[in-house]
Amino acid sequence: GAVVSQHPSRVICKSGTSVKIECRSLDFQATTMFWYRQFPKQSLMLMATSNEGSKATYEQGVEKDKFLINHASLTLSTLTVTSAHPEDSSFYICSARKDGGNEQFFGPGTRLTVL
Amino acid sequence: EDQVTQSPEALRLQEGESSSLNCSYTVSGLRGLFWYRQDPGKGPEFLFTLYSAGEEKEKERLKATLTKKESFLHITAPKPEDSATYLCAVMDTGRRALTFGSGTRLQVQP
Repeated sequence: GAVVSQHPSRVICKSGTSVKIECRSLDFQATTMFWYRQFPKQSLMLMATSNEGSKATYEQGVEKDKFLINHASLTLSTLTVTSAHPEDSSFYICSARKDGGNEQFFGPGTRLTVL
Repeated sequence: EDQVTQSPEALRLQEGESSSLNCSYTVSGLRGLFWYRQDPGKGPEFLFTLYSAGEEKEKERLKATLTKKESFLHITAPKPEDSATYLCAVMDTGRRALTFGSGTRLQVQP
């Protein structure tokens, strides 16, 4: 199998607070994980590529100081949305690529609502 | 810049009515083309990977095909449980990230 989990599944927070989202590959090792954002009725937009043991690579227009990514082990990557504002409200989805493969397996997503 | 265009945007079928979804793509070099299914409020579920023109993959009522410019997802005799958004994505040879199309929302009515 190729199971990826995310926690939490849903979070509501006040403007100005920070939120951490965890992404875990449960039954395989993933040197590389990816973070996406999806707005309603839109497709997935890649935010950053997370590499175990090194700095993440961010897509153009994504603020690296606002979206902090840490990939501390071969099965865990975290995304921290710092000083969240209502415009950060979205569906955040992670994926993990099996080492040696091309396919990405996605987590169930995290619905972030910033009040 | 990689580009992926999916059509139609939405498709409504009667149960048992076969059809095809289209994915047109532009990449500098294709490492792979991927099909995913996404249910509302959930992450995408992997369906197929296609690597070269002429390749075909099948899974239950779904069959994916690939040419040098486009891919088709054929749905044979669909059932209501096939209702979902189907996403196409490409990976070019220069990077490991996926570029997604906007998806086709499929609704199969009983």
